[in-house]
Amino acid sequence: VQLLESGGGLVEPGGSLRLSCAASGFGFGNYAMTWVRQAPGKGLEWVSAITGGGDNTYYADSVKGRFTISRDNSKDTLYVQMNSLRVDDTAVYYCAKGPSYSDYDWFDTWGQGILVTVSS
Amino acid sequence: QSVLTQPPSASGTPGQRVTISCSGSSSNMGSNFVYWYQQFPGSAPKLLIYRNNQRPSGVPDRFSGSKSGSSASLAISGLRSEDEADYYCEAWDGSLSGPVFGGGTKLTVL
Repeated sequence: VQLLESGGGLVEPGGSLRLSCAASGFGFGNYAMTWVRQAPGKGLEWVSAITGGGDNTYYADSVKGRFTISRDNSKDTLYVQMNSLRVDDTAVYYCAKGPSYSDYDWFDTWGQGILVTVSS
Repeated sequence: QSVLTQPPSASGTPGQRVTISCSGSSSNMGSNFVYWYQQFPGSAPKLLIYRNNQRPSGVPDRFSGSKSGSSASLAISGLRSEDEADYYCEAWDGSLSGPVFGGGTKLTVL
């Protein structure tokens, strides 16, 4: 089971970025997937989740209306489109696998993380 | 400010038993399972304990979890130098409709 994030980098405040997470080693479409972030030197914060078929999406209040989670099960890939980025969105973003099709209350596998820096 | 409360640091000597506490409220730990993750510097978190006290395959039985009411503990027995890491608790919060984490506890092996 492996998750590999990509797409991070430096972006100016107000800008946009799309992260990807390529999954392998499990039936991707059978599991909910999430994004969890960690600001430098800080703790973990759940960001967003999507059910196995992509039929339902969920967001933390801190990103609602700015981030959009999606998935392409034909490519075993998870995405998050991040718009109107703010300095406090600076963090390492991890994709993580939920325990079932619709549950995202815990995470049994994590990617290695990708750094997003929002700065002018 | 994290929803779940953990001590920022803990320490012990090799061979010792160490416990890390995590406290929450009725909307999260009081009514849902607790999970624990281990994170080494520069690495991704790893699931250590699920559903209060279950260990994923490959996690040594030196690690154990318990829960009572709105509080939980992670215990590490026979402490080893390689246990030095950050430990996070996590639970579903029904009021916030999402998973919430503790602020993390940095474990130092003296």
